[in-house]
Amino acid sequence: DSGVTQTPKHLITATGQRVTLRCSPRSGDLSVYWYQQSLDQGLQFLIQYYNGEERAKGNILERFSAQQFPDLHSELNLSSLELGDSALYFCASSPFNGVAGNTIYFGEGSWLTVV
Amino acid sequence: DAKTTQPPSMDCAEGRAANLPCNHSTISGNEYVYWYRQIHSQGPQYIIHGLKNNETNEMASLIITEDRKSSTLILPHATLRDTAVYYCIVRAGDSNYQLIWGAGTKLIIKP
Repeated sequence: DSGVTQTPKHLITATGQRVTLRCSPRSGDLSVYWYQQSLDQGLQFLIQYYNGEERAKGNILERFSAQQFPDLHSELNLSSLELGDSALYFCASSPFNGVAGNTIYFGEGSWLTVV
Repeated sequence: DAKTTQPPSMDCAEGRAANLPCNHSTISGNEYVYWYRQIHSQGPQYIIHGLKNNETNEMASLIITEDRKSSTLILPHATLRDTAVYYCIVRAGDSNYQLIWGAGTKLIIKP
């Protein structure tokens, strides 16, 4: 158990809909990261937050957005869903930002299926 | 961040040491070598990381060559539960966000 908690574990929704994925980082971790993994693909970095502020953006679509709240949990919002958005979405956390040897720990992921 | 090269797949007999190689010939002085593994569709699991010196923890050992252009992850007594995709990643010490994921090595432990 990495200490990173993601909900829901599985989600099935229709095209055009909007969903919210939730992540609770490890206790004390200030950085939260979101990754997407499509079937048999590698992990693609989406976005990072540090202590409530966006710190880095990767290949995140404009239909997707995220935020980190004062209690440090994070939500990833996916809207106008398309079939191609079906994937595993991972949240990860780390203690700090930009610190050498700063290990990132991953949650178990949220399976999103768009039908 | 530097790129890494790993063999696409490897087999190892249960109970033997599994040695997973990784080439990172363009690694910079401040870049760490990280190893993660992913058991089918589960969250990536952190294994170990290092900068220059060899490292050991309860899961594995990491051997980094003196020129830092390659490394080897050693699972000392492989079990069937170690079957997974293993990712070698180099990451700058001041890199605050991305882990750049390659294709990794599919390690299959055989009974």
